[in-house]
Amino acid sequence: AQKITQTQPGMFVQEKEAVTLDCTYDTSDQSYGLFWYKQPSSGEMIFLIYQGSYDEQNATEGRYSLNFQKARKSANLVISASQLGDSAMYFCAMRYSGNTPLVFGKGTRLSVIA
Amino acid sequence: GAVVSQHPSRVICKSGTSVKIECRSLDFQATTMFWYRQFPKQSLMLMATSNEGSKATYEQGVEKDKFLINHASLTLSTLTVTSAHPEDSSFYICSARDGIRGSNYGYTFGSGTRLTVV
Repeated sequence: AQKITQTQPGMFVQEKEAVTLDCTYDTSDQSYGLFWYKQPSSGEMIFLIYQGSYDEQNATEGRYSLNFQKARKSANLVISASQLGDSAMYFCAMRYSGNTPLVFGKGTRLSVIA
Repeated sequence: GAVVSQHPSRVICKSGTSVKIECRSLDFQATTMFWYRQFPKQSLMLMATSNEGSKATYEQGVEKDKFLINHASLTLSTLTVTSAHPEDSSFYICSARDGIRGSNYGYTFGSGTRLTVV
Protein backbone atom coordinates (compact mmCIF):
# COMPACT_ATOMS: atom_id res chain seq x y z
CA ALA A 1 0.00 0.00 0.00
CA GLN A 2 1.11 3.51 -0.73
CA LYS A 3 2.20 5.46 2.31
CA ILE A 4 3.62 8.89 3.04
CA THR A 5 5.58 9.58 6.23
CA GLN A 6 6.33 12.99 7.66
CA THR A 7 8.22 12.52 10.90
CA GLN A 8 8.38 16.15 12.01
CA PRO A 9 5.13 17.25 13.67
CA GLY A 10 6.51 20.75 14.14
CA MET A 11 9.50 22.77 13.02
CA PHE A 12 10.85 26.18 13.92
CA VAL A 13 13.04 28.27 11.69
CA GLN A 14 14.52 31.73 11.98
CA GLU A 15 13.38 34.26 9.44
CA LYS A 16 15.67 34.35 6.37
CA GLU A 17 17.11 30.93 7.15
CA ALA A 18 16.54 27.78 5.10
CA VAL A 19 14.53 24.83 6.39
CA THR A 20 14.08 21.25 5.25
CA LEU A 21 10.83 19.38 5.78
CA ASP A 22 11.17 15.62 5.56
CA CYS A 23 9.02 13.25 3.58
CA THR A 24 9.49 9.58 2.84
CA TYR A 25 7.21 7.42 0.80
CA ASP A 26 6.53 3.80 0.14
CA THR A 27 5.28 2.43 -3.14
CA SER A 28 5.93 -0.46 -5.45
CA ASP A 29 4.79 1.53 -8.49
CA GLN A 30 7.40 2.72 -10.96
CA SER A 31 5.31 5.69 -12.05
CA TYR A 32 4.22 8.10 -9.36
CA GLY A 33 4.29 11.76 -8.48
CA LEU A 34 5.14 13.63 -5.31
CA PHE A 35 3.56 16.89 -4.24
CA TRP A 36 4.02 19.42 -1.50
CA TYR A 37 1.18 21.62 -0.34
CA LYS A 38 1.01 24.50 2.10
CA GLN A 39 -2.10 24.87 4.24
CA PRO A 40 -2.45 28.17 6.12
CA SER A 41 -4.97 28.62 8.90
CA SER A 42 -7.61 29.51 6.33
CA GLY A 43 -7.57 25.88 5.24
CA GLU A 44 -6.95 26.21 1.54
CA MET A 45 -4.47 23.82 -0.01
CA ILE A 46 -1.79 25.75 -1.85
CA PHE A 47 0.20 23.73 -4.38
CA LEU A 48 3.93 24.33 -4.00
CA ILE A 49 5.92 21.86 -6.05
CA TYR A 50 5.73 18.58 -7.95
CA GLN A 51 8.26 15.86 -8.71
CA GLY A 52 7.58 13.01 -11.09
CA SER A 53 9.22 9.67 -10.45
CA TYR A 54 10.95 9.77 -13.83
CA ASP A 55 12.16 13.33 -13.47
CA GLU A 56 15.94 13.27 -13.30
CA GLN A 57 16.35 16.79 -12.01
CA ASN A 58 15.11 17.99 -8.65
CA ALA A 59 12.08 20.25 -8.98
CA THR A 60 12.41 23.92 -8.07
CA GLU A 61 9.77 26.65 -7.81
CA GLY A 62 11.10 29.95 -6.58
CA ARG A 63 12.14 29.55 -2.94
CA TYR A 64 10.95 25.96 -2.91
CA SER A 65 13.01 23.02 -4.01
CA LEU A 66 12.45 19.33 -3.70
CA ASN A 67 15.36 17.09 -2.72
CA PHE A 68 14.34 13.89 -4.49
CA GLN A 69 16.30 10.79 -3.55
CA LYS A 70 14.57 7.97 -5.37
CA ALA A 71 16.66 5.12 -3.99
CA ARG A 72 15.97 6.28 -0.46
CA LYS A 73 12.34 7.05 -1.31
CA SER A 74 12.55 10.51 0.10
CA ALA A 75 11.21 13.80 -1.21
CA ASN A 76 12.20 16.52 1.21
CA LEU A 77 11.02 20.09 0.73
CA VAL A 78 13.59 22.83 1.13
CA ILE A 79 12.37 26.36 1.72
CA SER A 80 15.07 28.96 1.35
CA ALA A 81 15.08 32.42 2.91
CA SER A 82 12.10 31.72 5.17
CA GLN A 83 9.51 34.43 5.59
CA LEU A 84 6.99 34.99 8.36
CA GLY A 85 4.25 34.19 5.86
CA ASP A 86 5.66 30.70 5.44
CA SER A 87 4.26 29.73 8.83
CA ALA A 88 1.66 27.07 8.03
CA MET A 89 1.04 23.34 7.81
CA TYR A 90 2.93 21.57 5.06
CA PHE A 91 1.75 18.31 3.55
CA CYS A 92 3.63 15.87 1.40
CA ALA A 93 1.41 13.84 -0.92
CA MET A 94 1.79 11.16 -3.53
CA ARG A 95 -0.05 10.33 -6.71
CA TYR A 96 0.27 6.82 -7.93
CA SER A 97 -0.62 5.53 -11.34
CA GLY A 98 -4.06 5.99 -12.83
CA ASN A 99 -6.90 8.29 -11.92
CA THR A 100 -6.29 7.98 -8.21
CA PRO A 101 -6.54 10.35 -5.24
CA LEU A 102 -3.57 11.91 -3.56
CA VAL A 103 -2.34 10.17 -0.43
CA PHE A 104 -1.22 12.62 2.24
CA GLY A 105 1.28 12.52 5.04
CA LYS A 106 0.36 13.73 8.51
CA GLY A 107 1.88 17.12 7.91
CA THR A 108 4.49 19.34 9.50
CA ARG A 109 3.63 22.61 11.19
CA LEU A 110 6.27 25.17 10.33
CA SER A 111 6.69 28.25 12.49
CA VAL A 112 8.93 31.04 11.26
CA ILE A 113 10.38 33.18 14.03
CA ALA A 114 11.31 36.82 13.55
CA GLY B 1 -5.00 28.10 -14.20
CA ALA B 2 -7.65 25.65 -13.14
CA VAL B 3 -10.01 26.81 -10.41
CA VAL B 4 -12.47 24.90 -8.26
CA SER B 5 -15.07 27.00 -6.49
CA GLN B 6 -16.30 25.46 -3.25
CA HIS B 7 -19.30 26.77 -1.36
CA PRO B 8 -20.14 27.51 1.32
CA SER B 9 -16.82 28.29 2.95
CA ARG B 10 -18.33 28.13 6.39
CA VAL B 11 -21.65 26.79 7.63
CA ILE B 12 -23.27 26.32 11.00
CA CYS B 13 -26.28 24.05 11.14
CA LYS B 14 -28.51 22.51 13.74
CA SER B 15 -28.21 18.88 14.65
CA GLY B 16 -30.49 16.75 12.52
CA THR B 17 -30.50 19.00 9.48
CA SER B 18 -28.77 18.41 6.16
CA VAL B 19 -26.05 20.50 4.58
CA LYS B 20 -25.02 20.57 0.93
CA ILE B 21 -21.51 21.49 -0.14
CA GLU B 22 -20.83 22.31 -3.78
CA CYS B 23 -17.65 22.10 -5.77
CA ARG B 24 -17.70 23.60 -9.21
CA SER B 25 -14.86 23.53 -11.72
CA LEU B 26 -14.82 26.90 -13.42
CA ASP B 27 -12.66 26.48 -16.49
CA PHE B 28 -12.13 22.78 -16.96
CA GLN B 29 -13.98 19.52 -16.90
CA ALA B 30 -13.59 17.61 -13.66
CA THR B 31 -13.82 14.00 -14.71
CA THR B 32 -13.22 12.86 -11.16
CA MET B 33 -13.81 14.54 -7.82
CA PHE B 34 -12.24 13.47 -4.57
CA TRP B 35 -13.81 14.46 -1.26
CA TYR B 36 -11.67 14.76 1.84
CA ARG B 37 -12.39 15.40 5.47
CA GLN B 38 -9.93 17.01 7.86
CA PHE B 39 -10.23 17.12 11.63
CA PRO B 40 -8.33 19.81 13.56
CA LYS B 41 -4.57 19.33 13.51
CA GLN B 42 -4.88 16.21 11.37
CA SER B 43 -4.24 15.35 7.79
CA LEU B 44 -6.70 15.06 4.92
CA MET B 45 -8.58 11.80 4.91
CA LEU B 46 -10.18 10.61 1.71
CA MET B 47 -13.90 10.06 2.06
CA ALA B 48 -14.97 9.16 -1.44
CA THR B 49 -14.20 9.32 -5.12
CA SER B 50 -16.82 10.30 -7.65
CA ASN B 51 -16.75 10.08 -11.42
CA GLU B 52 -19.16 12.04 -13.53
CA GLY B 53 -22.33 10.08 -14.15
CA SER B 54 -21.38 7.22 -11.86
CA LYS B 55 -22.01 6.29 -8.27
CA ALA B 56 -19.38 7.42 -5.83
CA THR B 57 -16.90 5.00 -4.33
CA TYR B 58 -16.63 5.41 -0.58
CA GLU B 59 -13.66 4.64 1.62
CA GLN B 60 -13.98 2.07 4.33
CA GLY B 61 -15.77 3.44 7.35
CA VAL B 62 -17.52 6.28 5.51
CA GLU B 63 -21.30 5.97 5.58
CA LYS B 64 -22.60 6.43 2.06
CA ASP B 65 -26.14 7.10 3.28
CA LYS B 66 -24.90 9.89 5.48
CA PHE B 67 -22.52 11.51 3.04
CA LEU B 68 -24.35 11.67 -0.28
CA ILE B 69 -22.21 12.54 -3.25
CA ASN B 70 -23.59 13.58 -6.60
CA HIS B 71 -21.47 14.21 -9.67
CA ALA B 72 -24.11 14.82 -12.28
CA SER B 73 -22.03 16.97 -14.59
CA LEU B 74 -18.41 17.48 -15.52
CA THR B 75 -18.35 20.81 -13.70
CA LEU B 76 -20.33 20.16 -10.53
CA SER B 77 -20.03 17.73 -7.65
CA THR B 78 -21.93 17.99 -4.39
CA LEU B 79 -21.53 16.46 -0.95
CA THR B 80 -24.61 16.40 1.25
CA VAL B 81 -24.19 15.67 4.93
CA THR B 82 -27.55 14.24 5.94
CA SER B 83 -28.95 14.39 9.45
CA ALA B 84 -25.81 16.11 10.67
CA HIS B 85 -24.56 15.58 14.20
CA PRO B 86 -21.89 17.42 16.20
CA GLU B 87 -19.36 14.67 15.40
CA ASP B 88 -19.73 15.57 11.71
CA SER B 89 -18.24 18.97 12.45
CA SER B 90 -15.09 19.11 10.38
CA PHE B 91 -13.35 20.72 7.42
CA TYR B 92 -14.46 19.27 4.10
CA ILE B 93 -12.45 19.86 0.95
CA CYS B 94 -12.83 18.67 -2.61
CA SER B 95 -10.14 17.99 -5.18
CA ALA B 96 -10.95 17.85 -8.86
CA ARG B 97 -9.03 15.64 -11.19
CA ASP B 98 -8.46 17.26 -14.51
CA GLY B 99 -7.88 14.45 -16.91
CA ILE B 100 -7.46 16.71 -19.87
CA ARG B 101 -5.38 19.78 -19.16
CA GLY B 102 -3.27 18.48 -16.31
CA SER B 103 -2.87 21.84 -14.63
CA ASN B 104 -1.59 21.78 -11.07
CA TYR B 105 -0.34 18.42 -12.24
CA GLY B 106 -3.90 17.21 -12.40
CA TYR B 107 -5.26 18.05 -8.96
CA THR B 108 -7.09 21.26 -8.13
CA PHE B 109 -8.47 21.82 -4.67
CA GLY B 110 -11.49 23.80 -3.59
CA SER B 111 -11.03 26.26 -0.77
CA GLY B 112 -12.79 24.02 1.75
CA THR B 113 -15.92 24.16 3.89
CA ARG B 114 -15.83 24.43 7.63
CA LEU B 115 -18.92 22.71 8.99
CA THR B 116 -20.05 23.21 12.55
CA VAL B 117 -23.05 21.27 13.81
CA VAL B 118 -24.65 22.62 16.97
